[in-house]
Amino acid sequence: EAAVTQSPRNKVAVTGGKVTLSCNQTNNHNNMYWYRQDTGHGLRLIHYSYGAGSTEKGDIPDGYKASRPSQENFSLILELATPSQTSVYFCASGDATGGYAEQFFGPGTRLTVL
Amino acid sequence: GDSVTQTEGLVTLTKGLPVMLNCTYQTTYSPFLFWYVQHLNEAPKLLLKSSTDNKRTEHQGFYATLHKSSSSFHLQKSSVQLSDSALYFCALTSGPNYNVLYFGSGTKLTVEP
Repeated sequence: EAAVTQSPRNKVAVTGGKVTLSCNQTNNHNNMYWYRQDTGHGLRLIHYSYGAGSTEKGDIPDGYKASRPSQENFSLILELATPSQTSVYFCASGDATGGYAEQFFGPGTRLTVL
Repeated sequence: GDSVTQTEGLVTLTKGLPVMLNCTYQTTYSPFLFWYVQHLNEAPKLLLKSSTDNKRTEHQGFYATLHKSSSSFHLQKSSVQLSDSALYFCALTSGPNYNVLYFGSGTKLTVEP
């Protein structure tokens, strides 16, 4: 099973500050994803990547940037954090080798923006 | 565009009773459907998956059948246990981009003694 880790696990930030959430996966998957989870909305895709150097916009990319410097690492960057970005963020990795992209999730990062 | 609908936000049941969590989807391409389960303070994990029409798939006592005629992939279990209390997400991937999953809003299942 894919091993996906996230850091930090909890973060408190101030409005207008810069926040970087990090994700690392050790199973050599090509694809990595960032989601946010809010009650009533399920998991919403923010950004994803097909490999090192690539980033793609998901359904809710506004206010977020992503960076994929290597196969293993995928970061989510909030340049100017706002209280509306308070949420739980999940990173996932996967490959569409079986014709579909089964995804393996990290433990999540709880972000609070004050 | 592609979408997934889960109509029940909250389901509360007594241990030992059967459960069905509804999932319908919209896509114009050939679909793959998934059920993910998320226990409290844990990451979502894959529970079931299917792309075969009218074939039942089972795992850990849960089962679901993809019905393309009705665009449905309902999750069922004949006898729920306390440990089944969790958040359940239905998800869809389909062409042209099978790399992206579309999740429903989730159903929180609470099983009481």
